Amino acid sequence: AQTVTQSQPEMSVQEAETVTLSCTYDTSENNYYLFWYKQPPSRQMILVIRQEAYKQQNATENRFSVNFQKAAKSFSLKISDSQLGDTAMYFCAFMNAGFGNEKLTFGTGTRLTIIP
Amino acid sequence: KAGVTQTPRYLIKTRGQQVTLSCSPISGHRSVSWYQQTPGQGLQFLFEYFSETQRNKGNFPGRFSGRQFSNSRSEMNVSTLELGDSALYLCASSLDGHPTGELFFGEGSRLTVL
Repeated sequence: AQTVTQSQPEMSVQEAETVTLSCTYDTSENNYYLFWYKQPPSRQMILVIRQEAYKQQNATENRFSVNFQKAAKSFSLKISDSQLGDTAMYFCAFMNAGFGNEKLTFGTGTRLTIIP
Repeated sequence: KAGVTQTPRYLIKTRGQQVTLSCSPISGHRSVSWYQQTPGQGLQFLFEYFSETQRNKGNFPGRFSGRQFSNSRSEMNVSTLELGDSALYLCASSLDGHPTGELFFGEGSRLTVL
């Protein structure tokens, strides 16, 4: 079974600064997908960024980028130029590859607060 | 395009009762997944339906069940409610269930069991 660990329950950072959220995972699979999801207060969860394990290049989406270290089973999220709207719970998640494997295993989350 | 719609948004039940939650996926999406979110256990996968068939199931007791209709709408049912079933139940839909497809989540149904 896969496990996902987020060791930072809470973080806070000043607006416009850069923050990095950590995530490690454990799996015996070689093909899989990793995700960061954002859950703002009282709002639905949305996908921030996705990484395919077979791709060596780190994924980027505007101000969001990841540092994917497959051998170390590490998948951190970097938020640059943080904004007040980035305040949310952030969940790291894992999914096995292959059709019919749509089951996300989530970490426990990191509550990120952006301070004005 | 309408997002994932979950009803009801909030509900209160007592121990021993049963509850049915509904999820309408984004139009054209055929895969619907359900997750339970609690402060203690975090987000846990319940089950996933694709084209009216349960394709994946998490580690929950048989009191938790679900189904999917031909229009892809899904319901989940919890029978003989326990206090520990109090949670936010999230539904997510995707186009075809492939991991490369994005999962879209609803706002959830918050169940309180007294």
